[in-house]
Amino acid sequence: GAVVSQHPSWVICKSGTSVKIECRSLDFQATTMFWYRQFPKQSLMLMATSNEGSKATYEQGVEKDKFLINHASLTLSTLTVTSAHPEDSSFYICSARIPSGGTDTQYFGPGTRLTVL
Amino acid sequence: AQKITQTQPGMFVQEKEAVTLDCTYDTSDQSYGLFWYKQPSSGEMIFLIYQGSYDEQNATEGRYSLNFQKARKSANLVISASQLGDSAMYFCAMREGPGTASKLTFGTGTRLQVTL
Repeated sequence: GAVVSQHPSWVICKSGTSVKIECRSLDFQATTMFWYRQFPKQSLMLMATSNEGSKATYEQGVEKDKFLINHASLTLSTLTVTSAHPEDSSFYICSARIPSGGTDTQYFGPGTRLTVL
Repeated sequence: AQKITQTQPGMFVQEKEAVTLDCTYDTSDQSYGLFWYKQPSSGEMIFLIYQGSYDEQNATEGRYSLNFQKARKSANLVISASQLGDSAMYFCAMREGPGTASKLTFGTGTRLQVTL
């Protein structure tokens, strides 16, 4: 399957700092990427849809000023958690969509575990 | 109502046996897609299999097959000849409608444990 990378794989930061997470599609161009959040023992919750060259579309209840998304190229989307607080600690995982004859399969990165102290 | 329902929080299966993981869905769209992903303890989400709403045959990918019953709105995953490495969380997901949004809605997952 397609390869999607994420960096960093884990990060620990102090409360009030900002953290940037990168999501890259390694062997294909992705016009659309998605950012999810997953709390322990729970399912994935979509945070936002990242579209190359335009503003991200955020899901209801997700603060766009807190979770800044930039999709500057066809292979890179970034999620910046601004002024992080302990409640932002979670597993963040991105995916990239390959339009393929209607399946539109999303391939996921390995995820980033964020711990805010 | 939940769009994707996985009623089995946990399942056990013996090595080499087959196991079925249940998934039911709710949508009013005619065009939709159903996906199964595997999430091992490392956290990555691994795409397993896809079934389109208009596909007449059940999807198969190696040891994975999808038992698609459209009238019942179910899309159960069947894993044949289970292996120890199959132990993981399994998520069913649905993409509703055509178009570029292609958002996925996930179920709550089933934790599969393969035993000797």
